[in-house]
Amino acid sequence: TQLLEQSPQFLSIQEGENLTVYCNSSSVFSSLQWYRQEPGEGPVLLVTVVTGGEVKKLKRLTFQFGDARKDSSLHITAAQPGDTGLYLCAGGGPSGAGSYQLTFGKGTKLSVIP
Amino acid sequence: GAVVSQHPSWVICKSGTSVKIECRSLDFQATTMFWYRQFPKQSLMLMATSNEGSKATYEQGVEKDKFLINHASLTLSTLTVTSAHPEDSSFYICSASTGKRQPQHFGDGTRLSIL
Repeated sequence: TQLLEQSPQFLSIQEGENLTVYCNSSSVFSSLQWYRQEPGEGPVLLVTVVTGGEVKKLKRLTFQFGDARKDSSLHITAAQPGDTGLYLCAGGGPSGAGSYQLTFGKGTKLSVIP
Repeated sequence: GAVVSQHPSWVICKSGTSVKIECRSLDFQATTMFWYRQFPKQSLMLMATSNEGSKATYEQGVEKDKFLINHASLTLSTLTVTSAHPEDSSFYICSASTGKRQPQHFGDGTRLSIL
């Protein structure tokens, strides 16, 4: 069973601060996605990384895929209240049923205080 | 683009009732749709994968006779929770993609509460 450990689970910071969320596994994934989920809504895809060592930037968000494709990080610069939400990482790979699945981490609940 | 609509968004019903949830891809053809369940403060757990025109593939521990999945067209998949009981109460989320390894686009989920 592939597991993704996300840390920290909860993060409360002041507006303007920087933060990093980590996503770690002992398994290799063919791809790694980051999502943001608001309460009562489905996850919204932020980015997909597929190559070991890959770095992608989305405005103030920087995503990195580990060289061994087992871990990833999300760094937010100068956080704003609008960044508040649940951030989920998900690794792509074969499922136990022979299909292809996303394995989700438990998420990091981020609160940015004005 | 890549909008997925899920309906209904919230259902409350009595124990023993069967509930159908619809998942539609509005602006693309979804050859593959996924159904997830998310319990409070937990992550999304994949229940099954369905490909248009074929039987769904269920993950271990998910009862296929209880969670009936139909994917009859490239834009619609349905999940029917048969004879629902309080322990089936959860947040059910679908996603759709143009292929097995393509990005998944998620619906807004259905909050199911069984009394």
